[in-house]
Amino acid sequence: GQNIDQPTEMTATEGAIVQINCTYQTSGFNGLFWYQQHAGEAPTFLSYNVLDGLEEKGRFSSFLSRSKGYSYLLLKELQMKDSASYLCAVMDSNYQLIWGAGTKLIIKP
Amino acid sequence: GAVVSQHPSWVICKSGTSVKIECRSLDFQATTMFWYRQFPKQSLMLMATSNEGSKATYEQGVEKDKFLINHASLTLSTLTVTSAHPEDSSFYICSARGAGEFNEQFFGPGTRLTVL
Repeated sequence: GQNIDQPTEMTATEGAIVQINCTYQTSGFNGLFWYQQHAGEAPTFLSYNVLDGLEEKGRFSSFLSRSKGYSYLLLKELQMKDSASYLCAVMDSNYQLIWGAGTKLIIKP
Repeated sequence: GAVVSQHPSWVICKSGTSVKIECRSLDFQATTMFWYRQFPKQSLMLMATSNEGSKATYEQGVEKDKFLINHASLTLSTLTVTSAHPEDSSFYICSARGAGEFNEQFFGPGTRLTVL
């Protein structure tokens, strides 16, 4: 079966760095997405990785290792507004998105 | 960036009535649109995938006669919840694909449905 695993909840301090991990087992692979979802709102696109390595975009970076079925989202210089759920999703061989359950990130002052 | 709108933002209805939710891609043509449902503190659950001009593909466990999807044009898809019941109360979110560099989905703001 297809499976995406990510931690349910994480807590970090304002100004610090946090890494949210995602492991996956899917039927084929056409890329991995990270989305941010604030409570009561729809998800917004953060990043896309299809090749191994690190993609940096401002305070957010995303890493992929296809051989390990592993990705992480790195958030630097955390701000209170970063408190949200972070969803990992993999596009399988049918170009369908398989969604993780999301990681709720709590930022404390 | 690509913008997807959804209407209405929230709706309260009586049990047994039908509710229609519209999803529009405002500045691009969406080859594929998706309908999701999200219960509180849970992840997105894909209900169905629709391509313009063809029948929607429903996920296992989703009743196609209860959740009617119409994708009449490249910019509009509608979801009708027929004979709604309290257990249908949820956050319904549509997304569209067709404009992104990475084939990513762009999400509408969601519709919160409450069935009394």
